[in-house]
Amino acid sequence: DADVTQTPRNRITKTGKRIMLECSQTKGHDRMYWYRQDPGLGLRLIYYSFDVKDINKGEISDGYSVSRQAQAKFSLSLESAIPNQTALYFCATSDSTDYNEQFFGPGTRLTVL
Amino acid sequence: GQNIDQPTEMTATEGAIVQINCTYQTSGFNGLFWYQQHAGEAPTFLSYNVLDGLEEKGRFSSFLSRSKGYSYLLLKELQMKDSASYLCAVMDSNYQLIWGAGTKLIIKP
Repeated sequence: DADVTQTPRNRITKTGKRIMLECSQTKGHDRMYWYRQDPGLGLRLIYYSFDVKDINKGEISDGYSVSRQAQAKFSLSLESAIPNQTALYFCATSDSTDYNEQFFGPGTRLTVL
Repeated sequence: GQNIDQPTEMTATEGAIVQINCTYQTSGFNGLFWYQQHAGEAPTFLSYNVLDGLEEKGRFSSFLSRSKGYSYLLLKELQMKDSASYLCAVMDSNYQLIWGAGTKLIIKP
């Protein structure tokens, strides 16, 4: 079984719709991250959480919100999707007691029409 | 600002050696990571350097010079399956990873 899972794996939606992407992990890590990846650009951090009560904005948080429901679950929401949010979204986890190597989920390909 | 530079694309021959360079300017330094990413898939960890010098792991080696803000990933005995993007990332003073755009490596028979 995968250590970091993301649902859905693919999603096509329309402008203005609310979308939630979910991430779960069985690694027991305390830190979780949401990134987006666009062609020709590096991974860009949207939000990160160092524990259940800690949520922080990343480089590109506008238009997104997150919820850390439990240590193992971290959800990303697009309140009103727009076409330039079309991208590949990755969830990642790391262990603060280690050197913070990040482990990635398989990704969610989101298309906003 | 923070910046990670690496070549956009490189081509190499099966069985050969290739070196992928990465230069960085970041606010603080808490280590440099190399990840491999096949098209459409998740990045996977290759190496971590926090001290100057060479770290060797099988066919892959990674080098770091903190004074020069420079690292390279060396891939030996290239195989077709090594065709992928290679991502350089630096952990800054806030323990956040700053990512380069990646180097797409094309292996030719």
